[in-house]
This record gives sequence, structure tokens and C-alpha cells, in this order.
Amino acid sequence: EVQLVQSGAEVKKPGESLKISCKGSGYNFTSYWIGWVRQMPGKGLEWMGIIYPGDSDTRYSPSFEGQVTISVDKPISTAYLQWSSLKASDTAMYYCARLEGGESYFDYWGQGTLVTVSS
Amino acid sequence: SYVLTQPPSVSVAPGQTARITCGGNNIGSKSVHWYQQKPGQAPVLVVYDDSDRPSGIPERFSGSNSGNTATLTISRVEAGDEADYYCQVWDSSSDHYVFGTGTKVTVL
Repeated sequence: EVQLVQSGAEVKKPGESLKISCKGSGYNFTSYWIGWVRQMPGKGLEWMGIIYPGDSDTRYSPSFEGQVTISVDKPISTAYLQWSSLKASDTAMYYCARLEGGESYFDYWGQGTLVTVSS
Repeated sequence: SYVLTQPPSVSVAPGQTARITCGGNNIGSKSVHWYQQKPGQAPVLVVYDDSDRPSGIPERFSGSNSGNTATLTISRVEAGDEADYYCQVWDSSSDHYVFGTGTKVTVL
């Protein structure tokens, strides 16, 4: 069974750093792109970027380029999303999801990680 | 950048048919995918490649795509179909993934 399990909720202060994770299981982790999607409170889905675990090829949405870093640790089948300096506007639910269909759609999703940034 | 526009809300009585549109420039030339998101839950893929259903998704969910509009149709609507629905495409010109604005389906 394909599963993406994300790390738990985080509460941080503005300016702090953060790295959240997404662990894949039940499939060949290195053969499928993993994407990250943001959902701000009461708002829609926003694509942030994707990474190919096989060679760490990474692509970012222009809206998020330079604001976050996506990485992967192949041996432990885990993808990461990190911030070096959080802002209150980063408060949101973050989902990882597997890309399928020739990298066209997201077929499996993690349960989400809620990030709250508040002073 | 490519924009996908959905109506903010659709209301439908149980047993009736709900149609959710997704508008985009020449969207008929792209593959459109649809997700269902219930409150407090992660999105779930309900239709991919315009009209295919993943395993486990009821036949009541169907999709079509032509011209500048893609449509997700939910037949014989049930209370459990109440959710937000998002369309999504891959924009080849920018190599970016785009989500629609989302539609809240309310079952009366």
C-alpha cells in the first residue's frame, strides 16, 4: 500500500527555521516525483515545487522560489520542505503528494503538516 | 501564468446531478485532473486525465474536457459528496502545476 506520512504539527516564531518531512513507503520511492502543496487557512491549493528522489532534480513555482528549499534523503525515502526564516504568512497546512501519469497528477497525498508561525 | 477558474460554490439536492466547471484558455488541449477535499482531510484524486477514475472512486464521478471548459459531474449526489473540489493541470509552456480556485459543493 502506497503511503506518504508527514511529520507532526509545528508552532514556530517569526525568523525561526523549520524542516518538515514526508516519508514514502509501499512503492519505489526513487522512481516518482514528490510535490509539495500549500493550503493557507480557508484558502485553496497552491503548488510549491517538486523533487525527483532519483537524482534530486528540483523545480519550484515562481511564487515559492527562494522562499523554501525542497530536498530528499534517498536511503530513508524521505522528502523535506524547509524554511530558513519563517514569516507569519507561512502559517498554513502543507501537503506532500506523489506525482503520477507521466508527472501529470498527484495520486497519493500525505496527511498534511500544519505550520503555525506566531510571535 | 496559466489560470484555472472555478465557481466558488455549487448547491445540489440529494439524488440530483452536480456539475463543476473549470475554465482555462484552450484547456481542452490539456489533461485535467480533479480532487475532492473534505473538511480537515487531505485532497483525494477523483478523476484524472479528463475522465478516468482511480480505483475505488464511484462511477457517479465523471469528467469531460473541451474547448475552454472542463467539467466534473457528480451524478446521484449523496450527502457524503459535500466537499471542496479542485481542478488541476500541468502547464507545459511553463512546466508548472496549476490548481483551480476551488468549488464548494453543498448538498441541500
